[in-house]
Amino acid sequence: EVQLVESGGGLVQPGGSLRLSCAASGFTFSSYWMSWVRQAPGRGLEWVANIKQDGSEKYYVDSVKGRFTVSRDNAKNSLYLQMNSLRAEDTAVYYCARDGTYSYPYWGQGTLVTVSS
Amino acid sequence: EIVLTQSPGTLSLSPGERATLSCRASQSVSSSYLAWYQQKPGQALRLLIYGASSRATGIPDRFSGSGSGTDFTLTISRLEPEDFAVYYCQHYGSSPRTFGQGTKVEIK
Repeated sequence: EVQLVESGGGLVQPGGSLRLSCAASGFTFSSYWMSWVRQAPGRGLEWVANIKQDGSEKYYVDSVKGRFTVSRDNAKNSLYLQMNSLRAEDTAVYYCARDGTYSYPYWGQGTLVTVSS
Repeated sequence: EIVLTQSPGTLSLSPGERATLSCRASQSVSSSYLAWYQQKPGQALRLLIYGASSRATGIPDRFSGSGSGTDFTLTISRLEPEDFAVYYCQHYGSSPRTFGQGTKVEIK
């Protein structure tokens, strides 16, 4: 069974940093692109970033470029999102998702990041 | 960037009724890269439809997707109590992989 479990969320002050993790199991992690998607409170879904199987390609939504870094450790079956210079508008539930050929077939339950003083 | 606009924002229906949800793209989208998801509180997002019209594994046949170009539709033929949720369309092609703003299907 495919499982994606996010962790690392919490309350952080504006300008602060946080590192999210996503532990993957039930599939060959190193064979798939992986993504981060977020959802602000009461809002819709926003794709944040994704990363190729070997980490050689990474893409970001414009609003996080230069502040967020996606990475992965295939030996640990883990995906990460390093978030720096956090802003109030980054407050959201952050989901990791496994890329499929035409969609995201698997999602985690999410971890809440709150940016507030 | 492809902008996806979903309508209506909220659909109030009774169990057993038919639900028709719309997703309109700001530019033509390859049908291969149009997906629909269901979101319920406290649950992981669930893939319903990929490639505009293909049902994901385990999805009941009361869910169907159609459309091409800029206009896509998710239809739930007869609403079951567990179908009341929020539904999102997504363009899964080139980055950024945008989502629609969602349609909430609520019990009337």
